[in-house]
Amino acid sequence: EDQVTQSPEALRLQEGESSSLNCSYTVSGLRGLFWYRQDPGKGPEFLFTLYSAGEEKEKERLKATLTKKESFLHITAPKPEDSATYLCAVQDSWGKLQFGAGTQVVVTP
Amino acid sequence: ETGVTQSPTHLIKTRGQQVTLRCSSQSGHNTVSWYQQALGQGPQFIFQYYREEENGRGNFPPRFSGLQFPNYSSELNVNALELDDSALYLCASSLESGTSLNTQYFGPGTRLTVL
Repeated sequence: EDQVTQSPEALRLQEGESSSLNCSYTVSGLRGLFWYRQDPGKGPEFLFTLYSAGEEKEKERLKATLTKKESFLHITAPKPEDSATYLCAVQDSWGKLQFGAGTQVVVTP
Repeated sequence: ETGVTQSPTHLIKTRGQQVTLRCSSQSGHNTVSWYQQALGQGPQFIFQYYREEENGRGNFPPRFSGLQFPNYSSELNVNALELDDSALYLCASSLESGTSLNTQYFGPGTRLTVL
């Protein structure tokens, strides 16, 4: 059965303190790995898609990487506006997204 | 370009009632997926509609049903509501060609509370 595990569950950072979030997965027929950002009470906002091991994507202070078993979301010099829950999801051959429980990130000034 | 919209924003129902949630897909998208997100959890896949037909279903009972219309908008219907159905219901749209899978873009969600 497909499984996605995110760690840590919660992360509290000082502004400017870089860190990484982990997403480990097992899936048959991986079509893609997605990172979303979700603010409280809102829908997930798309950040990145990664398709193959070794691939990297960057957007402002965020960088996502992918290996055969896990993905990392690196947050460099975060700002308070980076506070959110970050969700990782794998897409199977049917198009279904299997999500992890998310990592709640709080960045304090 | 119009993003994914959902209605209503919030809804309160009592146990045993029925509810219909609506979703308008992003312009140009032909596929709609529905997800249920309980508090503190990641979204769980309910089902997907592609060209007006159900194209995959998660582990949800038959009282969860849906429709997709010719304009690619969609409805999620839930019968015989239970307390555990209280959640944020998310709709996501994408453009699928049958040979490739593309990014799903989410709407703001409908918060359903069952009392």
